Amino acid sequence: EDQVTQSPEALRLQEGESSSLNCSYTVSGLRGLFWYRQDPGKGPEFLFTLYSAGEEKEKERLKATLTKKESFLHITAPKPEDSATYLCALNSGGSNYKLTFGKGTLLTVES
Amino acid sequence: GAGVSQSPSNKVTEKGKDVELRCDPISGHTALYWYRQSLGQGLEFLIYFQGNSAPDKSGLPSDRFSAERTGGSVSTLTIQRTQQEDSAVYLCASSDRTSTLLSQYFGPGTRLTVL
Repeated sequence: EDQVTQSPEALRLQEGESSSLNCSYTVSGLRGLFWYRQDPGKGPEFLFTLYSAGEEKEKERLKATLTKKESFLHITAPKPEDSATYLCALNSGGSNYKLTFGKGTLLTVES
Repeated sequence: GAGVSQSPSNKVTEKGKDVELRCDPISGHTALYWYRQSLGQGLEFLIYFQGNSAPDKSGLPSDRFSAERTGGSVSTLTIQRTQQEDSAVYLCASSDRTSTLLSQYFGPGTRLTVL
């Protein structure tokens, strides 16, 4: 059974203090790994898809990387508006649409 | 353009009542998904529709849950004889079938509270 574990559960940073969120997984036949951002009371907002180990994608202060066992979401010089829950999800196996989600990391950036 | 919309945004009901939740996907998206997000849990897949194909209902937790999609667009998730454990946020997503891998775009969700 596919498993996705995100750590830490919660992270508090000062504005400008860079850090990384982790998503580790056990799966057979990874098709893609997804990162989403979720603000309170809203649905997840798509950020990145990574398909293979070694791949990296960037968007503003966020950079996602992928290895064979885990993915990192690096946040460089975060701002208070980056505060949200970040969700990792993966797709694998025979279905190209079912996503297995982690429980998320709640990021708080203080000014 | 317009994103995925869901209604109502909040629903409070009594145990044993039936509820209907509605989802309007992004125009042109042929794939539609329902997920459930319970407190402290990850999103849980419920059901998937793709065009006119038979839906994948493998995630529905019991036969009290059903969903339909009319005309390949709007979808309704129905929960019969609601129970307190059904309280959660129900999220709908849609995606463009032509994508290499289906990146899913989510609506704001319906928060269901069963008293």
